[in-house]
Amino acid sequence: DAGITQSPRHKVTETGTPVTLRCHQTENHRYMYWYRQDPGHGLRLIHYSYGVKDTDKGEVSDGYSVSRSKTEDFLLTLESATSSQTSVYFCAISEQVEWPQHFGDGTRLSIL
Amino acid sequence: GQQLNQSPQSMFIQEGEDVSMNCTSSSIFNTWLWYKQDPGEGPVLLIALYKAGELTSNGRLTAQFGITRKDSFLNISASIPSDVGIYFCAGQPFTGTASKLTFGTGTRLQVTL
Repeated sequence: DAGITQSPRHKVTETGTPVTLRCHQTENHRYMYWYRQDPGHGLRLIHYSYGVKDTDKGEVSDGYSVSRSKTEDFLLTLESATSSQTSVYFCAISEQVEWPQHFGDGTRLSIL
Repeated sequence: GQQLNQSPQSMFIQEGEDVSMNCTSSSIFNTWLWYKQDPGEGPVLLIALYKAGELTSNGRLTAQFGITRKDSFLNISASIPSDVGIYFCAGQPFTGTASKLTFGTGTRLQVTL
């Protein structure tokens, strides 16, 4: 277990509501990532962070924002959730950018 | 965005058999990674490869970094029921590219007794 906790593990919400997912790590790794996993698309990067308050966009960042105020926490926010954002969201961490990423157990998000 | 092509998409094998799967890309990678994902869990790193031609083992698993740097192979010897899951490859083109890790489409492995 890579010391990554995602919360909540499951969430059902309605279109238009704000949603925040949390990723907490105990490894003190510099890099943190948010992915979504959808059938037929595999894992796609949403946003990543390379340090406290340092973030950048990934492949599918539209409709998502992130924040990292502490090394151990990386938050993913859907400001106004849409049904197309129904997915399984994974957080990952890595000590250095070129080192392998380790994943949390995911959050299953359903938007009705 | 680019996706890596993994084959086969799924496999149904008997316990004790050896398994081979591969991953190909149109781009060159500096790093190849292999992950396994069980239902309801996140991907778990199995093997990391950093050099063209490298052959690395982890127990019954062996993976190779292709000479062309555009492909990688994973072999599982003497499969057991707990090998069931989805296997993903991932490639990173060069260092300093946190946004460029690309994942394969996955190979679903099912093992019968």
